[in-house]
Amino acid sequence: GAGVSQSPSNKVTEKGKDVELRCDPISGHTALYWYRQRLGQGLEFLIYFQGNSAPDKSGLPSDRFSAERTGESVSTLTIQRTQQEDSAVYLCASSLIGGILITDTQYFGPGTRLTVL
Amino acid sequence: AQKITQTQPGMFVQEKEAVTLDCTYDTSDQSYGLFWYKQPSSGEMIFLIYQGSYDEQNATEGRYSLNFQKARKSANLVISASQLGDSAMYFCAMRDQAGTALIFGKGTTLSVSS
Repeated sequence: GAGVSQSPSNKVTEKGKDVELRCDPISGHTALYWYRQRLGQGLEFLIYFQGNSAPDKSGLPSDRFSAERTGESVSTLTIQRTQQEDSAVYLCASSLIGGILITDTQYFGPGTRLTVL
Repeated sequence: AQKITQTQPGMFVQEKEAVTLDCTYDTSDQSYGLFWYKQPSSGEMIFLIYQGSYDEQNATEGRYSLNFQKARKSANLVISASQLGDSAMYFCAMRDQAGTALIFGKGTTLSVSS
């Protein structure tokens, strides 16, 4: 079956512009996660969706970052007024159940590489 | 607070040899899960293996096994019979009852040579 897909794979933008990153999770997965990976670093959690609601937004670095999910499927991460420090790979993951189920494995997409000039 | 530590920035191994990638963790929860992911140069995170804190046996998946030592809070990944395609970055991650997100270590770069 299809895995998690993300688009675009690469995005180059100018400082101050808004960008939208898209994630299509694995069909039937109710939980969706966004992470950020700066060059040579591990992943930083941004936001978690259970269905269409976001019970955990604790990782969003500023109010310039927002995300939504519709139809318990596609999610969009929006970064407004981009800054150079936003340059990173943005990874989306989905899992079957979510919540506090310890064994729920997250499956990742290929990521979107964002470069802010 | 939860924390994952991977102390080996880079590891080198020859084909067909076994290699151990270290991971230690910190959590105050009794129930938690430990995950290993592989990230090749293409960037995708590939799930390799899972170990639950209450699992009595070490997890194994093909050439991957997890050396889980609960008292020492370590969950080392063992790759047997290394292959050139194993060259990648490897991340240890943890999830406990405190949160929904995975907490990742900084990763170890594995280079396999012929």
